[in-house]
Amino acid sequence: AQTVTQSQPEMSVQEAETVTLSCTYDTSESDYYLFWYKQPPSRQMILVIRQEAYKQQNATENRFSVNFQKAAKSFSLKISDSQLGDAAMYFCAYRSLFSSNTGKLIFGQGTTLQVKP
Amino acid sequence: EAQVTQNPRYLITVTGKKLTVTCSQNMNHEYMSWYRQDPGLGLRQIYYSMNVEVTDKGDVPEGYKVSRKEKRNFPLILESPSPNQTSLYFCASSPGTGSEAFFGQGTRLTVV
Repeated sequence: AQTVTQSQPEMSVQEAETVTLSCTYDTSESDYYLFWYKQPPSRQMILVIRQEAYKQQNATENRFSVNFQKAAKSFSLKISDSQLGDAAMYFCAYRSLFSSNTGKLIFGQGTTLQVKP
Repeated sequence: EAQVTQNPRYLITVTGKKLTVTCSQNMNHEYMSWYRQDPGLGLRQIYYSMNVEVTDKGDVPEGYKVSRKEKRNFPLILESPSPNQTSLYFCASSPGTGSEAFFGQGTRLTVV
């Protein structure tokens, strides 16, 4: 069974600085998707970025980028030029491409990010 | 507007009183799921559905029921709620394999 681990329950960053959130996962599959979701105090789950495992190029969305290391099964999220609105809980998630498992997103425990002005 | 709608947003109930949390999506998505979120545990899947009349258990299905009679609706039923089902619940839908999930606003359930 696949697992996702976020080992940093809490992180903090100064406004305008850069922060990296860690995520590791375990799987025997070769093709899958990885996601980072943001959950602000409003509780809404917002997709930040996604990565297809078959793509070697790291995904980027504006100030958000990932460092995807497939062999190491690592998927970290880098937030550049941090803003107060980035303060939230961030979840790493895995989705299988196999039909028997593809209906499921497997989440990490979450990392709460505090942004200091 | 494309969205997943859950109701109610907040619910306080007593042990043993049956309740239903509704979920509806207007994006014609095939996949729908229910998750519960608990501190330190992230989100865990309760049930999911790959299409109408096709449902399967997730990681924590005990004490829950679902049905998928129509493509757009996927209600979560707690026949006899217990305090350990106090949690934040999310419904999600997605169009297909590998796609990201779109989430509802969440339902904060308290069972006393």
